[in-house]
Amino acid sequence: GDSVTQTEGPVTVSESESLIINCTYSATSIAYPNLFWYVRYPGEGLQLLLKVITAGQKGSSRGFEATYNKETTSFHLQKASVQESDSAVYYCALAPTGFASALTFGSGTKVIPCLP
Amino acid sequence: AQTIHQWPVAEIKAVGSPLSLGCTIKGKSSPNLYWYWQATGGTLQQLFYSITVGQVESVVQLNLSASRPKDDQFILSTEKLLLSHSGFYLCAWSQGPGNTLYFGEGSRLIVV
Repeated sequence: GDSVTQTEGPVTVSESESLIINCTYSATSIAYPNLFWYVRYPGEGLQLLLKVITAGQKGSSRGFEATYNKETTSFHLQKASVQESDSAVYYCALAPTGFASALTFGSGTKVIPCLP
Repeated sequence: AQTIHQWPVAEIKAVGSPLSLGCTIKGKSSPNLYWYWQATGGTLQQLFYSITVGQVESVVQLNLSASRPKDDQFILSTEKLLLSHSGFYLCAWSQGPGNTLYFGEGSRLIVV
């Protein structure tokens, strides 16, 4: 079946430093699935951060960006300068094909910004 | 704008007791609806989906059941809770396969 593997957390990063959360996927049901990053901030619900549906394209939101790489089947999330407000759990997900199929999620990566 | 509301926010229940979790979507007609579950430290796992009133499909068998009594309502229930049912339950809707999922705030369940 389909699966998503992402960086195991928690990840501690100094504020103003860069962050990368690795995500690789395996999609047996569809060659080029839609790819997503979701985020859960403390005390809030799970919400979409960014989405890319075309291989080779880049998505960006709130200073984060991720590029859909079909050669390496990866969708890494990056941010150049982390802030305290980025403290959250980040989930990579893919959308397989199939009637009413929902998203397959990675295990989540908790990001903990700290003072430099 | 569409809104999704889940209830209750949290529950502590005894093993063997019944459970009912609810989800209501406003502002969207005929959405696809989903139940997800996340054990503590685990990943999000799809439990059920529904594409229309009265029709629910099970994805993972966890001794739970789901129903869609109205277009905008999705219910998760069981008659006898197990310790393994503890975790975080999320309801979500989408416009169709492969589309963005929009989640509710979730319901935290602790079975003791």
